[in-house]
Amino acid sequence: EVQLVESGGGLIQPGGSLRLSCAASGFTVSSNYMSWVRQAPGKGLEWVSVIHSGGSTYYADSVKGRFTISRDNSKNTLYLQMNNLRAEDTAVYYCASLHSTWGQGTLVTVSS
Amino acid sequence: QAVVTQEPSLTVSPGVTVTLTCGSSTGAVTSGHYPYWFQQKPGQAPRTLIYDTSNKNSWTPARFSGSLLGGKAALTLSGAQPEDEADYYCLLSYSGARPVFGGGTKLTVL
Repeated sequence: EVQLVESGGGLIQPGGSLRLSCAASGFTVSSNYMSWVRQAPGKGLEWVSVIHSGGSTYYADSVKGRFTISRDNSKNTLYLQMNNLRAEDTAVYYCASLHSTWGQGTLVTVSS
Repeated sequence: QAVVTQEPSLTVSPGVTVTLTCGSSTGAVTSGHYPYWFQQKPGQAPRTLIYDTSNKNSWTPARFSGSLLGGKAALTLSGAQPEDEADYYCLLSYSGARPVFGGGTKLTVL
């Protein structure tokens, strides 16, 4: 069964850092374009970042310079390192291979 | 950054055919935007219905189809069912590999 499972979300103060993980099973992270997508409470979907199978990375303007996407091929896991977090980063974060597979999401709340 | 537009809401009766559209502030939507369509029900993660304009996943009901229509991407639901009530989002890819979601369409079937 193809599955993506996110973890690492939680409550963090403004200016803090958090690393999200997305563990894949039945699916090879390094062979796919893998994205992070977020959804603020009651709002629509927002694309955050992508890492291509070749390793190229891209970011939305709203997170560029603060977030870093990466992967560990040996662990078949995708990551999102989030630094200098702001209140407006509060959202459910999904990892996805947009053609097919989404995780269940992990909630990040940035608040003092 | 481009703005992707969708109908905010649509209401249809069961059995009716409805078309949701996805436009771009930069001009006509083409196959080069690789349009995606996602369905999201309350409390659930999104799921991908359509990718690359018209390709379906194995779980995509046959009544859903994707196309290009009048300079926009389109998702047609042929014979709406109560279980199709959900939010629908499109996604368009642009140069620079930074795709943009539309604001979503809330589809009500009643």
